Amino acid sequence: NAGVMQNPRHLVRRRGQEARLRCSPMKGHSHVYWYRQLPEEGLKFMVYLQKENIIDESGMPKERFSAEFPKEGPSILRIQQVVRGDSAAYFCASSDRRDDGDGYTFGSGTRLTVV
Amino acid sequence: AQSVTQPDIHITVSEGASLELRCNYSYGATPYLFWYVQSPGQGLQLLLKYFSGDTLVQGIKGFEAEFKRSQSSFNLRKPSVHWSDAAEYFCAVGPFSGGYQKVTFGIGTKLQVIP
Repeated sequence: NAGVMQNPRHLVRRRGQEARLRCSPMKGHSHVYWYRQLPEEGLKFMVYLQKENIIDESGMPKERFSAEFPKEGPSILRIQQVVRGDSAAYFCASSDRRDDGDGYTFGSGTRLTVV
Repeated sequence: AQSVTQPDIHITVSEGASLELRCNYSYGATPYLFWYVQSPGQGLQLLLKYFSGDTLVQGIKGFEAEFKRSQSSFNLRKPSVHWSDAAEYFCAVGPFSGGYQKVTFGIGTKLQVIP
């Protein structure tokens, strides 16, 4: 089991470009969560998805950010027209059931740098 | 709203010394509590968790944590620290809300281990 796979590990974008972050959950996991870690801060919840559904996006900025988890393929976190403040580490976590009390399995993250 | 406080941003201990990392939470009912560890450039790894039952929980790598309801605390301990324990430690609280977990993380405690 390869665990939660995130790619790329590092991503550099110029201001105004688009960033696409990918997350492949653990095999058999159908629940995906995205978190953002700003420098010197803890992780902040962004969005919770199940296959083909966004369940909770209360932590997502209202503009420029979107997420999807299609029936086939990885979950994608998309940031349009990136700004310097988007520079952060973005972590994906997955679980195999809705009420997963075992905690999440996290990927190693994508570190986005906006120049 | 739930919240987590980790009052110590940085802690330095000598190798072989004991360790206690503090965590206080705010939540209206019995929470699910977690400790995660993050090595530089890596994702988060679950050390241990508490849901119910015995208030002293054992985790991986020789860590343990004690849930004290009266103090709203969930402090992490290790009797003898190894150099490889140098990392950042996150306390987290996750209620069971709406059939899924939305975990709130503290800002983390960076542990430095000196020879």
